[in-house]
Amino acid sequence: KNEVEQSPQNLTAQEGEFITINCSYSVGISALHWLQQHPGGGIVSLFMLSSGKKKHGRLIATINIQEKHSSLHITASHPRDSAVYICAVAKTSYDKVIFGPGTSLSVIP
Amino acid sequence: EPEVTQTPSHQVTQMGQEVILRCVPISNHLYFYWYRQILGQKVEFLVSFYNNEISEKSEIFDDQFSVERPDGSNFTLKIRSTKLEDSAMYFCATQGTGELFFGEGSRLTVL
Repeated sequence: KNEVEQSPQNLTAQEGEFITINCSYSVGISALHWLQQHPGGGIVSLFMLSSGKKKHGRLIATINIQEKHSSLHITASHPRDSAVYICAVAKTSYDKVIFGPGTSLSVIP
Repeated sequence: EPEVTQTPSHQVTQMGQEVILRCVPISNHLYFYWYRQILGQKVEFLVSFYNNEISEKSEIFDDQFSVERPDGSNFTLKIRSTKLEDSAMYFCATQGTGELFFGEGSRLTVL
């Protein structure tokens, strides 16, 4: 069984829609990362969470440690948000991260 | 904004050849990692490096792989004798006080 799961696997949205991507994990963690992988392959860190909620621009990330669940929300989605969004967890500080399978998002104008 | 730099961006090599992938980490970061992503699959951990030595390695990281920090700045991944299945995107990552920074990746194609 994969230690990190994401849903949905693929997501198509109309521009302006509110988007939610979910991540669940089965191990104890010290941190959870949300990452964005561009079509060209590069990976960018969006958030690192150990509790609660973080917001950056139109992106919001939440985590529920007890339920082992995190969500990434995108408000007022835009075609430039089209990318693969990856959830990854670290069991301890500075440990390797374990990647989820990613959610491929396509935002249509 | 600090960044991790990887070279080459793309390398094509023949099976059995040695390949060295290079990474310039962010200057005050102490933790370094190599990950790889085979086309269409999720990103997998290869090796972590701290204080000039390997701190953890995965099952993928066999005797054909090695890492070093030869000059205190570059962080290299060497594959001694490449196989077809080594074709993948290789990412270097570094970590300072918590946030992870990834390089743009080096795409390796083994023919």
